[in-house]
Order: sequence, then structure tokens, then C-alpha cells
Amino acid sequence: EAAVTQSPRNKVAVTGGKVTLSCNQTNNHNNMYWYRQDTGHGLRLIHYSYGAGSTEKGDIPDGYKASRPSQENFSLILELATPSQTSVYFCASGDATGRNTGQLYFGEGSKLTVL
Amino acid sequence: QQNVQQSPESLIVPEGARTSLNCTFSDSASQYFWWYRQHSGKAPKALMSIFSNGEKEEGRFTIHLNKASLHFSLHIRDSQPSDSALYLCAVDRGSALGRLHFGAGTQLIVIP
Repeated sequence: EAAVTQSPRNKVAVTGGKVTLSCNQTNNHNNMYWYRQDTGHGLRLIHYSYGAGSTEKGDIPDGYKASRPSQENFSLILELATPSQTSVYFCASGDATGRNTGQLYFGEGSKLTVL
Repeated sequence: QQNVQQSPESLIVPEGARTSLNCTFSDSASQYFWWYRQHSGKAPKALMSIFSNGEKEEGRFTIHLNKASLHFSLHIRDSQPSDSALYLCAVDRGSALGRLHFGAGTQLIVIP
């Protein structure tokens, strides 16, 4: 079974502070994604990556940066956290090859509370 | 911009019932259609997918896709309490890059 692990699982931050959410995958997938999940909105794409060194903006990138230093690791960075960024963040990996396109493997989520 | 809508928002059914969940999308160029299931406090997990018009059955689960009407659905036969979860439909963005657009979800509760 594909494995995606996130850390930290729970984080409380102060407004204006810096937060880094980390993600590691052992699936050797080229693509990695960061989503946030809020009630009524489903999963919304923040940033994604096609491979080491690449990052692309998703649908709601404002206030977030991403870093993909290696095939295995993908980080989401909040330079100046705001209460509106309180959410559950999910990292996922996947390969866009044929009928596997769209099959994403998600981590267990990181619950972020910004006070 | 892909617009994905799910209905109903929530559903309560008795054990053994047939359950139907619906998803509409706006981009007719979409090629890949997925259902994900998320148990409370857990990660979303891919349930099943369909890529061409018609029907696909896997065990108690069936997907119907009608691209002309921009609609696909998930049907659960003989619903079980363990099926209680948030069901998310997802549609690709018209390219083979694996980026999905998710609906807001249908919360299903199956009463024993």
C-alpha cells in the first residue's frame, strides 16, 4: 500500500508566525499535492509539484508557498499565518499515467489552528 | 474553471437500503471521474473510477457516467453501517496531469 506521511499532525500557531507542514511519500510518485479541507468546500488545491525542484500554484495559493527538494518530500509553508488558514491540510501523491490518473494517495492530514 | 457539485449534502438510510449519490461537473473535456471515501478523522481514499460513458460495478458499488449530461453517480447496494462516511466526487481538469477538482461531499449515515 502506498504510504504518505505528514507532520506535524496537529499544530497551534499564532497569527503572524511561520508554519511549515511536511510531507513524505514512499511511492516514488512524480506528482505531489497539497489540499486544504473545510466544511462545505471539500478539498481545495493549494500547490502541486511534478517532481523534485518544481512547484505550481493551485486554485488557492495566496498566503502559501511550497517546496519540493526531493522526489519524496513536499512542504507547505505559511510565512505569516492568519486565522483564516485554520484548516485541515492533506498531502497526496499520485502518478498521472493512464487509468491511474486521478488516483491520489493521501496522508492522514495536519490540523492547523491559528490563534 | 471546473465546477463540481454534489447532492445531496447529507443522507441517512437504514441498513440494507440502496443509496444513490450524485455529482455534476461543468467541463465537458474531463476524462477521469472518481469517487473517494473519507471516514471520520481519516484520509480520503480512492473508492472507484470510470473513464467512459456507461456503468461500472465493483461489488456493492456501481458508478454511472453520462458525459452528455455532465453527470455521474455512485450507487451502493445493501448499504452497511461501515459505509457511513463522507463521499467525495472528483473530476480531472481536462489534462492527464492528475490534478483533481473535488466536490464538497455527501455525508452518508447508515443506521443499523
